[in-house]
Amino acid sequence: EAGVTQSPTHLIKTRGQQATLRCSPISGHTSVYWYQQALGLGLQFLLWYDEGEERNRGNFPPRFSGRQFPNYSSELNVNALELEDSALYLCASSSGTGQGASGELFFGEGSRLTVL
Amino acid sequence: AQSVSQHNHHVILSEAASLELGCNYSYGGTVNLFWYVQYPGQHLQLLLKYFSGDPLVKGIKGFEAEFIKSKFSFNLRKPSVQWSDTAEYFCAVFNTNAGKSTFGDGTTLTVKP
Repeated sequence: EAGVTQSPTHLIKTRGQQATLRCSPISGHTSVYWYQQALGLGLQFLLWYDEGEERNRGNFPPRFSGRQFPNYSSELNVNALELEDSALYLCASSSGTGQGASGELFFGEGSRLTVL
Repeated sequence: AQSVSQHNHHVILSEAASLELGCNYSYGGTVNLFWYVQYPGQHLQLLLKYFSGDPLVKGIKGFEAEFIKSKFSFNLRKPSVQWSDTAEYFCAVFNTNAGKSTFGDGTTLTVKP
């Protein structure tokens, strides 16, 4: 069974540009979570998508956005990139929705974004 | 706001030593609790989980964790560590109402052969 896949593995952008990161969940999982792992800051919750809807978002500015497609894959967009956006962006998927969600996450390898 | 605190940022042990990593969380509602591990060069993976029932849960590779509700704690233990346990360990709390997982800052464990 394929795990969570993320692309690209590495991405280099300059300040002010936009970055798009992609994630395919484990087959059968409907929930997708995005986390930012910046150096020394642990995992910071960004966004949660479930059944195509944004269910929750963390304390990040609106230039962090995303969407979930009908096949449950997801995209994270970061607009007007800033130097401090440099980080590893992790996608995780989970089965169960709403009250059935357990919180057990299956992670991808991550996309490393470098902003110059 | 929900938060998770891991007491040690970096732990260094010799092989066969016992391990205990502390994890405390602040949230009064219903939570599910997890420990994840990230071995060097690998992605984060589940080590063990607690949803309900017996507060002592066992995970892979001889790890166990105990949920103490009164202390809002979920400490990770292993009686005898191996060199291959060298990794970063993350405690996570899932808020079942908000559908959000909060992670601790992680503890880097280095086991000397």
